[in-house]
Amino acid sequence: EVHLVESGGGLVQPGGSLRLSCAASGFTFSTYSMTWVRQAPGQGLQWLSYISGSSGIIYYADSVKGRFTISRDNTKNSLYLQMNSLRAEDTAIYYCARDMGVTGADDYWGQGTLVTVSS
Amino acid sequence: QSVLAQPPSASGTPGQRVTISCSGSSSNIGSIGVNWYQQVPGTAPKLLIYNDNERPSGVPDRFSGSKSGTSASLAISGLQSEDEADYYCAVWDGSLESRLFGGGTKLTVL
Repeated sequence: EVHLVESGGGLVQPGGSLRLSCAASGFTFSTYSMTWVRQAPGQGLQWLSYISGSSGIIYYADSVKGRFTISRDNTKNSLYLQMNSLRAEDTAIYYCARDMGVTGADDYWGQGTLVTVSS
Repeated sequence: QSVLAQPPSASGTPGQRVTISCSGSSSNIGSIGVNWYQQVPGTAPKLLIYNDNERPSGVPDRFSGSKSGTSASLAISGLQSEDEADYYCAVWDGSLESRLFGGGTKLTVL
């Protein structure tokens, strides 16, 4: 059974940094692209970043380009999101998801981890 | 304001058929398959439809997707109380090199 478990969220001051992790199990992690999506309180879904199975292809949303870095360690079946220069508007639940490889559809999602940026 | 336009709300009574629209452009919906997600408040999104009209295993055939030009639609037939949720369309935009989500539609079962 596919499982995705995010961790690393918490309270951070504006301008600070945080590294999110997503532990994957139940599938051959290296053969799937992965994505990060967030949802601010009471708001809709916002796509953040995509990474291919080999890490050879990476995309970012304009809102996080230059501040967030996606990466993965296929030996550890783990996905990461390094978040720097955090702003209040980055406060959200952050989800990792598996890209099923068809039209960018994410077929499995983690439960999410909450990031709160506040002084 | 989202690049993909969805109505903010929709409603129906049990047993009815409702549709939710998603309007985009030639660089997104007009070029590649559309995906739809269902999100019950407090839970993670769930893939409902991918590649315009395909259902993942386990999704009831009451849910169907369609597309015409730069607009897509999600139809839910035989509406049930458990269908009350937020629904999002999503698609890759080749011009922006970015995945887009619609603003979401809150479906209320009256």
